[in-house]
Amino acid sequence: AQSVTQPDIHITVSEGASLELRCNYSYGATPYLFWYVQSPGQGLQLLLKYFSGDTLVQGIKGFEAEFKRSQSSFNLRKPSVHWSDAAEYFCAVGAYNFNKFYFGSGTKLNVKP
Amino acid sequence: DAGVTQSPTHLIKTRGQHVTLRCSPISGHKSVSWYQQVLGQGPQFIFQYYEKEERGRGNFPDRFSARQFPNYSSELNVNALLLGDSALYLCASSLADGLLYEQYFGPGTRLTVT
Repeated sequence: AQSVTQPDIHITVSEGASLELRCNYSYGATPYLFWYVQSPGQGLQLLLKYFSGDTLVQGIKGFEAEFKRSQSSFNLRKPSVHWSDAAEYFCAVGAYNFNKFYFGSGTKLNVKP
Repeated sequence: DAGVTQSPTHLIKTRGQHVTLRCSPISGHKSVSWYQQVLGQGPQFIFQYYEKEERGRGNFPDRFSARQFPNYSSELNVNALLLGDSALYLCASSLADGLLYEQYFGPGTRLTVT
């Protein structure tokens, strides 16, 4: 069965510090992996996606993620967090032929000034 | 260009009632998907429609149904509402079928069942 685990429910980092949000997936076929961000009152916004090729993918807003097949992980990173990054972040795995995602339960990011 | 729009923004219903939620995709987008996001959880896939045909269905009871109209807008219907149906319902649209096409999410409809 397909599933996504985000082990950290809440994370607090200081502004300017580095960030890593963890994501582990379970998927029977080749995974198509995504990171979305959800700010209060706004829709989910795609940060980045991995389909194939280079395992380090760059996204918007200075985010990047690394696909590690051996660890079934797709962790999201940012070298220096800004206060505006405070939001909830969702990892998702998709089935190629369908617009259907399996989302993780999310990680809420707080940024300390 | 307008993004994905959903109506209404908020809705309060009583157990046993029926509800219809509406979604207008981005102009030119032919695929619409629906998700349920219960507070504190990630979105769960309900349906996907492409060119007015159902392309995928998640693990939801038959009380949930949807359709897509010739203009590609979509409705999600829920019958015999339960307290557990209280959630944020998200609609997403994309140009075509398949994950190569980015999904754009609307702001959602907040449904409260009392």
